Amino acid sequence: KAGVTQTPRYLIKTRGQQVTLSCSPISGHRSVSWYQQTPGQGLQFLFEYFSETQRNKGNFPGRFSGRQFSNSRSEMNVSTLELGDSALYLCASSLGGDRIETQYFGPGTRLLVL
Amino acid sequence: AQSVTQLGSHVSVSEGALVLLRCNYSSSVPPYLFWYVQYPNQGLQLLLKYTSAATLVKGINGFEAEFKKSETSFHLTKPSAHMSDAAEYFCAVSDRIKAAGNKLTFGGGTRVLVKP
Repeated sequence: KAGVTQTPRYLIKTRGQQVTLSCSPISGHRSVSWYQQTPGQGLQFLFEYFSETQRNKGNFPGRFSGRQFSNSRSEMNVSTLELGDSALYLCASSLGGDRIETQYFGPGTRLLVL
Repeated sequence: AQSVTQLGSHVSVSEGALVLLRCNYSSSVPPYLFWYVQYPNQGLQLLLKYTSAATLVKGINGFEAEFKKSETSFHLTKPSAHMSDAAEYFCAVSDRIKAAGNKLTFGGGTRVLVKP
């Protein structure tokens, strides 16, 4: 079974631009979560989608948004990029999104904002 | 809010020596607890998880962790380090009492260096 895939793997943008990252979960998984990883703040939860609905949200500004499609694929968007948005963005999927389920992580998208 | 503390951002061990990585959580109700490993340029991989069955949890690659409620700890150990264990390790918690959904709160991570 294929794992979680994320595209693109690397991305360079400039301040003020917007970016869209994509995540394809493991087949059959309906929950997709997004995390931001930076050297300074570590791993932080952005949001979780289940059956096309945002079910949980972390403490990030409204510039960070996401959505999930009927095939469970998910995208996250960051508008008006800031230098501090440079990070590794990780996507994770799980079957039904229950708290005790294992989340399977993709390799991440590394975003550099110049 | 949940928080997780990992003592020691860097740990250096000799090959064949014991690996001990510390994790403490702050919650009056024990959460679900997880240990993940991250190799360079890769995502996170689950090593093991505690979901209130046995307090001693065995995971992959010879790792195990013991849940101690009295100490609010979930330390990760491996009896004999291998060069392939060099990676960053993250302890994470999932709130047991809130509404459904997946939200992991991670510790700051511990980078393990294995010396030959």
